[in-house]
Amino acid sequence: DAKTTQPPSMDCAEGRAANLPCNHSTISGNEYVYWYRQIHSQGPQYIIHGLKNNETNEMASLIITEDRKSSTLILPHATLRDTAVYYCIVTIQKLVFGTGTRLLVSP
Amino acid sequence: DAGITQSPRHKVTETGTPVTLRCHQTENHRYMYWYRQDPGHGLRLIHYSYGVKDTDKGEVSDGYSVSRSKTEDFLLTLESATSSQTSVYFCAISDLAGGGETQYFGPGTRLLVL
Repeated sequence: DAKTTQPPSMDCAEGRAANLPCNHSTISGNEYVYWYRQIHSQGPQYIIHGLKNNETNEMASLIITEDRKSSTLILPHATLRDTAVYYCIVTIQKLVFGTGTRLLVSP
Repeated sequence: DAGITQSPRHKVTETGTPVTLRCHQTENHRYMYWYRQDPGHGLRLIHYSYGVKDTDKGEVSDGYSVSRSKTEDFLLTLESATSSQTSVYFCAISDLAGGGETQYFGPGTRLLVL
């Protein structure tokens, strides 16, 4: 019963911005949007989260639409090390991981 | 990286044997979690703890038990391992600071049940 929809895979050229979309049309008012990523064989890594406003940190930016039904994770200058599976999660508390988007960054 | 270690990192065992996986944290976080990850599935929550001696079940808890006698340690036990429990197991910690659910994950334990 995933609350989010993400494309299964995306490609990005090294140095370019990677824009990963996520649809969450049934999000409730007190649910946060979280993004995690998992590099091959490693544990998931927290990237960023937001409630209503756009957020930016040293890793990425999170753009949430005004109606909160979708969001975009932006990696401004993708590197080869950003190749990973990216998970968009909508939650108040517990994390429920879907199958995510597999991002491949190529030279 | 958050101070989370898991042991062992790899284990091969036989069906029917008991197995205990350990998660150790140095962050003094209140919440600890055990997940499993299998091909074709995302991470699935097995059990979690919200304090010493306080634990609860996740979505795939059958066949697993947990214990937390100290803040820093969260143990996952397979009482009688089965081949369906072959998986990669991840521990995570959280303190719910800043709102929501920011979890930090350990490196994982690869378990093979023959």
